[in-house]
Amino acid sequence: GAVVSQHPSRVICKSGTSVKIECRSLDFQATTMFWYRQFPKKSLMLMATSNEGSKATYEQGVEKDKFLINHASLTLSTLTVTSAHPEDSSFYICSARPFPITDTQYFGPGTRLTVL
Amino acid sequence: AQRVTQPEKLLSVFKGAPVELKCNYSYSGSPELFWYVQYSRQRLQLLLRHISRESIKGFTADLNKGETSFHLKKPFAQEEDSAMYYCALSAENTGNQFYFGTGTSLTVIP
Repeated sequence: GAVVSQHPSRVICKSGTSVKIECRSLDFQATTMFWYRQFPKKSLMLMATSNEGSKATYEQGVEKDKFLINHASLTLSTLTVTSAHPEDSSFYICSARPFPITDTQYFGPGTRLTVL
Repeated sequence: AQRVTQPEKLLSVFKGAPVELKCNYSYSGSPELFWYVQYSRQRLQLLLRHISRESIKGFTADLNKGETSFHLKKPFAQEEDSAMYYCALSAENTGNQFYFGTGTSLTVIP
């Protein structure tokens, strides 16, 4: 089956630093990838939709300058949390939609970010 | 290794019929299991979690540790239930990482 990986699985950083999270589709091409953030009570919030070769589309309330998304290839999207603060500590999950299928998406295992 | 399996990619039922979306998992510890739903053109949202043992929109799911299953059930399907459903497992021994199944697309036929 289709596999999506995330790296790192867990990261701890100091306040003010930047952290990059990678999302890769391992055995399929994904023109569209999604980034989610998990909040208390385990609800997921869609942060942005990442399209290969173009700018990401951010959901309302998500700071695009803080959460930089790059989708440089059909198998890789990156989320960079810039100038991280403790309130950015969360669980970040990506998913990938296989090309040309449009009715499904495969989720990565998530990345636990802790900002000290 | 943690795995979540949803054997049915597509499921169609008639309105008013019972529906069951299957989910099986493999996990060596004590799992926390969830069902997420994504309606057409809407974001993924939490439907229910096994810890709360609640019924949301008429759906229930019981964790069966003997069969390692967490099937989602509803006695009478409604058209508005048509959506993608994802089963997910949160693994405490890996920092509460989420493991999602590949999803089941449910279509309720009027």
